[in-house]
Amino acid sequence: NAGVMQNPRHLVRRRGQEARLRCSPMKGHSHVYWYRQLPEEGLKFMVYLQKENIIDESGMPKERFSAEFPKEGPSILRIQQVVRGDSAAYFCASSPGTGDEQYFGPGTRLTVT
Amino acid sequence: GDSVTQMEGPVTLSEEAFLTINCTYTATGYPSLFWYVQYPGEGLQLLLKATKADDKGSNKGFEATYRKETTSFHLEKGSVQVSDSAVYFCAPLGGGYNKLIFGAGTRLAVHP
Repeated sequence: NAGVMQNPRHLVRRRGQEARLRCSPMKGHSHVYWYRQLPEEGLKFMVYLQKENIIDESGMPKERFSAEFPKEGPSILRIQQVVRGDSAAYFCASSPGTGDEQYFGPGTRLTVT
Repeated sequence: GDSVTQMEGPVTLSEEAFLTINCTYTATGYPSLFWYVQYPGEGLQLLLKATKADDKGSNKGFEATYRKETTSFHLEKGSVQVSDSAVYFCAPLGGGYNKLIFGAGTRLAVHP
C-alpha cells in the first residue's frame, strides 16, 4: 500500500518564477493537508482540501499561493512569483476522514535563488 | 488560539537511558493528540496517538498518556537506542479537528 507521494522532492526556482508542488494521497484517503516547515522550526498548517473543495485555507498567505485537489489527479500547491522567503520544506498529508490521523509524504524542498 | 509547548532540545542521552519529552497544549475541547517523529531529510512518521482522556498511546517502546487535567501528553521510553535519534513533535488536532498544531519539536541525540 503506497504511502503519500510528493513530487518533486527537490525544486529550485529563481525569484519571480512559479513553483508547482504535487501530492498524491494514500489510497482511500480523500482529505489532503499542506504544511510548511521553515529551517529548524515545526510545521505550520497552510490548507485543508477535500476532492474539488477547499475546506480551510486559514494558514495560506493571501497572495501568490493557491491550492487545488481536482476530481482526478493529485493535489497541487502553486506558488507564483516566488521570493527567497518561500524557501522551505512543504509537506502534504492525507487522512481517510476529518479528525483521523494524518499520514505525511516525504516533502518537497523548495529553494529560491 | 491552539498551541503546543515542548521542552527545548537538544536532548542528549546515552544508549539505554530513560527518555522523557514534555508536551503541554492549549486547545478548544478535547482534541486527539499525536506524537510524530522526523528523521533527517525525511517526512513525519506517526509514532503514537491518543483520542480521549486517560488513553495511553504506545508504539516501538514509546508511550504517552492523555492527561486532561494538566493538558499534557509527555512522551516516554524506558531504554533509548541510537536509532531513536531524530526530532520529535507533539501535535494536538486543533482548529475544528482538521489541522495539526506543531511546536518547534525536540531533537533527540542518542550516543553509544
